[in-house]
Amino acid sequence: AQSVTQLDSQVPVFEEAPVELRCNYSSSVSVYLFWYVQYPNQGLQLLLKYLSGSTLVKGINGFEAEFNKSQTSFHLRKPSVHISDTAEYFCAVGVVGNKLVFGAGTILRVKS
Amino acid sequence: DAGVIQSPRHEVTEMGQEVTLRCKPISGHDYLFWYRQTMMRGLELLIYFNNNVPIDDSGMPEDRFSAKMPNASFSTLKIQPSEPRDSAVYFCASSDAPGTDSNEKLFFGSGTQLSVL
Repeated sequence: AQSVTQLDSQVPVFEEAPVELRCNYSSSVSVYLFWYVQYPNQGLQLLLKYLSGSTLVKGINGFEAEFNKSQTSFHLRKPSVHISDTAEYFCAVGVVGNKLVFGAGTILRVKS
Repeated sequence: DAGVIQSPRHEVTEMGQEVTLRCKPISGHDYLFWYRQTMMRGLELLIYFNNNVPIDDSGMPEDRFSAKMPNASFSTLKIQPSEPRDSAVYFCASSDAPGTDSNEKLFFGSGTQLSVL
């Protein structure tokens, strides 16, 4: 079975500062990895995904994530955040033919 | 396309009442998923359908929960009787990816905020 751990429940950061949201997973088989974002009062949106190939994945809104197989991590980064990035971010892992397993979420609070 | 449509957006009900949540997936999508989000447990998959057939309902917490998909454009999640601990946001999602790659891209609805008093 797969599992996902998001190490921080909340991350406060000042506007224009860099941010990293951490995600670790466990699985005995090859996985697909995803980051979803949920803005206040909205549903989930896909930010980016890793299926295969390059381990550095670029997504929407300037976010990127790096798949590290040896450390079983898929941390999400942005070099300079905006107030509008305030949201909850979910890391998820899936395998072919199976459902996604989500982490508990990390609330990113961007302060001016 | 209007995206995945869920109704109602908010539902407040009393303990013991029946609650029905509705979902209209994106036209042409073969997979439909019901998720529940709480502060304690994060986002959990309850059940998912492929071509209107329930494939995995192992996430449904109790017999009080049931889900149906009578046709390709409509699904319901019913809780009967409802309890305060059922209070959560319930998300519906759909996907059009063929074969076993249905996890590649999910489109989520805006969710239904359920409060059971």
